[in-house]
Amino acid sequence: GEDVEQSLFLSVREGDSSVINCTYTDSSSTYLYWYKQEPGAGLQLLTYIFSNMDMKQDQRLTVLLNKKDKHLSLRIADTQTGDSAIYFCAEKGGYSTLTFGKGTMLLVSP
Amino acid sequence: DAMVIQNPRYQVTQFGKPVTLSCSQTLNHNVMYWYQQKSSQAPKLLFHYYDKDFNNEADTPDNFQSRRPNTSFCFLDIRSPGLGDAAMYLCATSGGQGVEKLFFGSGTQLSVL
Repeated sequence: GEDVEQSLFLSVREGDSSVINCTYTDSSSTYLYWYKQEPGAGLQLLTYIFSNMDMKQDQRLTVLLNKKDKHLSLRIADTQTGDSAIYFCAEKGGYSTLTFGKGTMLLVSP
Repeated sequence: DAMVIQNPRYQVTQFGKPVTLSCSQTLNHNVMYWYQQKSSQAPKLLFHYYDKDFNNEADTPDNFQSRRPNTSFCFLDIRSPGLGDAAMYLCATSGGQGVEKLFFGSGTQLSVL
């Protein structure tokens, strides 16, 4: 079945850039997503990328997709303490529903 | 304005005592999902409805059932909760086509005593 892997933890200082990485196995993935989960809350869609794109930028967020290596990354520029949360990578292949990774906890220190 | 509302926010039940979690949506979305999320794990899809069509994941235990009486509401019934069923239960909706953006509720944290 499909598998999505992420590193579990990332710590950065406020103002630095954060890069969260994700790998996936489903070669038929059509869309890839980044969701954010704050403590005690549901998941919130941050951004997504279509599989025929290699980059998407949305304000402070940059998504890079290397389809050959099945590698997805999320870069957050000028990281703020309010960005501290768990970030989930997810992929959708064909007619299937989304498969999520285990999440990367981002801790931003002042 | 909350678009996907889950009640209650916290639910405590006893081992083996049936419990129902509820979800409602104001988005008029076709698809409603139930996910189980345990600490430090990926959200795990239990089942979803596309309109009235029920789709059960192959590894969802029989102990978990769902009902969708209309477009707006969906319920998760746990017939005989075990200690291993303690988790956050997340409801989500989507339009069901194309990009399939999921909108999540805040979740119900279930404790089993």
